[in-house]
This record gives sequence, structure tokens and C-alpha cells, in this order.
Amino acid sequence: QKEVEQDPGPLSVPEGAIVSLNCTYSNSAFQYFMWYRQYSRKGPELLMYTYSSGNKEDGRFTAQVDKSSKYISLFIRDSQPSDSATYLCAIKDTGGFKTIFGAGTRLFVKA
Amino acid sequence: NAGVTQTPKFQVLKTGQSMTLQCAQDMNHEYMSWYRQDPGMGLRLIHYSVGAGITDQGEVPNGYNVSRSTTEDFPLRLLSAAPSQTSVYFCASRPDRTTGELFFGEGSRLTVL
Repeated sequence: QKEVEQDPGPLSVPEGAIVSLNCTYSNSAFQYFMWYRQYSRKGPELLMYTYSSGNKEDGRFTAQVDKSSKYISLFIRDSQPSDSATYLCAIKDTGGFKTIFGAGTRLFVKA
Repeated sequence: NAGVTQTPKFQVLKTGQSMTLQCAQDMNHEYMSWYRQDPGMGLRLIHYSVGAGITDQGEVPNGYNVSRSTTEDFPLRLLSAAPSQTSVYFCASRPDRTTGELFFGEGSRLTVL
């Protein structure tokens, strides 16, 4: 079983839609949860970073962690064509060196 | 401030050839790492380093070699290229050994024929 599972999509939505992206993970030792955004032919860039459970909001983006079900989510409100990218979830344990990534979900937002 | 710089951006090799992918960062980061990205597989960790002279293996280290003689540089060597090593390679660094954001380079696209 992979340590983090993510549906690769693709996911296609109309402009203005609410987007929900999700990952599940297997090891309860993971405490750091991240979402990276990757535009075509570019390196990933950090979008959201949360520690332990709960919600974190940044503009149109909300990251949610449910440690009881080992489920992490990213919500995008009022999606824009400029949000079209691959979104990768990432996890890390406390004190460890390795960041583990999901497969990435490719998102298309149509104008 | 250049951040993380990778060279070359594109490379075509024949099976059995060797080459080195270069990675340099100018942010004085302790931690540096190499990932490969393949369709449907996400980013998989090849090797990482927590400081000059200290390296360790990640998830997919076979066929790759690394060294870290300075804080700034972390080259990735392909010893004898195979078609299975066709991929996009990313170098990433972060300020702290265990926490914080990873900063990625733009990637190096490698094709092995």
C-alpha cells in the first residue's frame, strides 16, 4: 500500500466552480500536510502547509486535515482558468527527513 | 536570488552512457534532495542530504549516485543509463533538516534511448 494515495484525475470544472481535491494516507505518524501546485513544465510550488488536524484558509483556498480518518483535502472556491495545474498533496512525519508526495491531480478550469 | 538552479534542462542519452545532473541553491539551505516524476507516480525521492558530507537513500536510489561536498551543490549521477530512467528530475531544498517548505528547481527532462 502506498503511504499516500491521490486520484490523478484529470478533473475538469467550469469557471467559478468549487473544487475539492483529496488524498488519503496510511501512517498516523504523519503530522505535516502540504499542498503543492505545479504548472505545466515547471517545478512544484508550495500552496498550503498545515500541522496536525484542522482547517487552514488562504484566500480562495482551504486545506483540511482529518487525522481520525487519515484524509486531507484542498478546496478551491470560485475557481479560475489560472488555477489549471497539477495539485500534489505531500506528507511528512515529525523529525523525519523525507517528504512523501501523492501522484498529483490534474485540474482543468474551463472559461 | 536564483533559488534552486538545475542544469541541463533537457538531455538525451543512449543506454549505458553516464551523466551528471547539476543542482545548486543559493539560499544556504541545509537539506537538499532529488526526486523523479513519472506519469501517475507522483514525485518519488531518489536521494537526499541533510548537510555537506551527509547523504542517504530515498525510495528509488538504484542506478543513481550523489555526493554533497558543499552546502550549495548536490549533483545526481547516472552511472549507466537505462530506458527506465527516462523521467523528469527535480532538485529541491529547504532551510531546515526536518521542517519547512521545499523549494524546487525547474526540472531536468531526461530521455534514455
